[in-house]
Amino acid sequence: GENVEQHPSTLSVQEGDSAVIKCTYSDSASNYFPWYKQELGKGPQLIIDIRSNVGEKKDQRIAVTLNKTAKHFSLHITETQPEDSAVYFCADTKGSQGNLIFGKGTKLSVKP
Amino acid sequence: DTGVSQDPRHKITKRGQNVTFRCDPISEHNRLYWYRQTLGQGPEFLTYFQNEAQLEKSRLLSDRFSAERPKGSFSTLEIQRTEQGDSAMYLCASSRLWAPTLTDTQYFGPGTRLTVL
Repeated sequence: GENVEQHPSTLSVQEGDSAVIKCTYSDSASNYFPWYKQELGKGPQLIIDIRSNVGEKKDQRIAVTLNKTAKHFSLHITETQPEDSAVYFCADTKGSQGNLIFGKGTKLSVKP
Repeated sequence: DTGVSQDPRHKITKRGQNVTFRCDPISEHNRLYWYRQTLGQGPEFLTYFQNEAQLEKSRLLSDRFSAERPKGSFSTLEIQRTEQGDSAMYLCASSRLWAPTLTDTQYFGPGTRLTVL
């Protein structure tokens, strides 16, 4: 069945360093790949997304890259700040159905 | 744009009781999704609506679960005869379908945390 594998499960970085989270998907028909940030007790918040016709997308300190051949996509956060500490989820979906398949999440801790 | 809202935010119930949750999507969003999230896991898809039509259900949605979106606006999720395994965060998301071939962006609400004793 469809699944999304996400690594690492936990990531600790020093403030100002970069953080990279990687996801691998199984369904070659997947065409949309969002990333969500979830803080304790809150719902997931979309931070960036990418569609299958694009290889890279950047928004200030956040970037996402997509390798369709290898079926993996990555989130890059540069110049990390303590407020970036949260759980990050990758997801994918296909076609117009819309239901997202999520990874298991990465707990990012940014130490001041 | 006031965002997706969910009510209640927390619900504690005893095993065997029925519970109902409400989701109000972003205004004019025609798609509404329900997900379930257990501790340490990513959200898992339950069901979704396009306007008032329920178009897909996950195998996770047992016959004790029912969802409605009668007027294509707010939605309710009811769990009958709750079990301890139903304890989870129930998340609602909404989106606006721009075109049949274009995957829409989903915006999540704060969730309803259910605890079944």
